[in-house]
Amino acid sequence: QPLLTQPPSASGTPGQRVTISCSGSSSNIGSNSVSWYQHLPGTAPRLLIFSNSVRPSGVPDRFSGSQSGTSASLTISGLQSEDEADYYCAAWDDSLSGFCAFGGGTKLTVL
Amino acid sequence: QVRLEESGPGLVNPSGTLSLTCHVSGDYIDRSDSFWGWVRQPPGRGLEWVGSIYHSGESHYKPSLRSRVTLSVDTSRNQFSLKLTSVTAADTAVYYCARHRAPEQWLSFGWFDPWGQGTQVTVSS
Repeated sequence: QPLLTQPPSASGTPGQRVTISCSGSSSNIGSNSVSWYQHLPGTAPRLLIFSNSVRPSGVPDRFSGSQSGTSASLTISGLQSEDEADYYCAAWDDSLSGFCAFGGGTKLTVL
Repeated sequence: QVRLEESGPGLVNPSGTLSLTCHVSGDYIDRSDSFWGWVRQPPGRGLEWVGSIYHSGESHYKPSLRSRVTLSVDTSRNQFSLKLTSVTAADTAVYYCARHRAPEQWLSFGWFDPWGQGTQVTVSS
């Protein structure tokens, strides 16, 4: 069972805003930075957000991230058909000498 | 442009050793702000961090794999490697290598970018 909890699925219609949550604890999201990835089957995962809310160059500003307490969220505004993919959050966990935890992933469907 | 490419056998016998190498081009593996990591995705499941290594050899591993995994780095060839021993069918996965950015070498603030395309490894006789 992943330490970071994400909803298994999410959906929206083109143009809508969708938010994907990532729930953790004080030993991971509560004290360390969160990153978000987009993954299409058969391709390399793509970094969308790092340091909770920073967007790398080349990532559209439709993607935004936030963190509060032991939870984080990824918001996609102006949903597009090409956004249909799996989305993962990740954060370092300070327990057990430290390790990186990924969320279980959220499959986003654009209706 | 930074590019990472995984290589290694696609089929490993049960109880054998899985060995993969990731060659890095367009960047230096001894840069101070990055570890180099492995992430896998078993069939039908999500991404799972395996471990990360710094050019000095400092390494961190997923707790449940710690007894079976070893990462190494070869700065002269600009590549790093993964060895996983005593493999079972549960180790069947697509294995990705990635640059694990760590500002000031703090993995607490780290992220993975870029990633390799991934390589399928199947454990079967």
